[in-house]
Amino acid sequence: DTGVSQDPRHKITKRGQNVTFRCDPISEHNRLYWYRQTLGQGPEFLTYFQNEAQLEKSRLLSDRFSAERPKGSFSTLEIQRTEQGDSAMYLCASSLAGVQYETSYEQYFGPGTRLTVT
Amino acid sequence: GIQVEQSPPDLILQEGANSTLRCNFSDSVNNLQWFHQNPWGQLINLFYIPSGTKQNGRLSATTVATERYSLLYISSSQTTDSGVYFCAVEKIENSWGKLQFGAGTQVVVTP
Repeated sequence: DTGVSQDPRHKITKRGQNVTFRCDPISEHNRLYWYRQTLGQGPEFLTYFQNEAQLEKSRLLSDRFSAERPKGSFSTLEIQRTEQGDSAMYLCASSLAGVQYETSYEQYFGPGTRLTVT
Repeated sequence: GIQVEQSPPDLILQEGANSTLRCNFSDSVNNLQWFHQNPWGQLINLFYIPSGTKQNGRLSATTVATERYSLLYISSSQTTDSGVYFCAVEKIENSWGKLQFGAGTQVVVTP
């Protein structure tokens, strides 16, 4: 069990550029989550996948944001036409999921990708 | 959505002191987790505790689900305990898989 990994750890980009982040969950985990954290705040939920299906998206996830998990393993989060307000820490988490959706399991977080938009 | 309130917002401790952090939530929940965020931003799992009491070394936690609160106890604090402590809850009926975080308690342990 190597834990959740994220790449890159830091990204500095100019406003208007596109960026893509990658998350590799714990290998046996079939749920994967994305959160965003701004300075002085707790993380806020963005979206989550069960296997390759994206089951929920927050209102925070504007049209410029897209997430994929094509084979139910790693996931990517893309931000198009970045804005300064997108500067934040982007956190990925993973967990197991039961056969029934109505089951809750402990979430484990990666180290995050810190995005700075200049 | 569920409201999660943590108190106190800030805590300064001398090394060796004990402390209690509190998390109140506004509705019944299926999942409650406590995390420690280190200075590099990594969220470290402390407890998965939707109800009951658990202990891990100098840390322990109690969740009283019927009264909608959880407590995190830090005993004999060390400088490495510094950081932000977050409580996060999940209510499956409203949203599967979504953790709702509190604003955190910033803890500083001085030598």
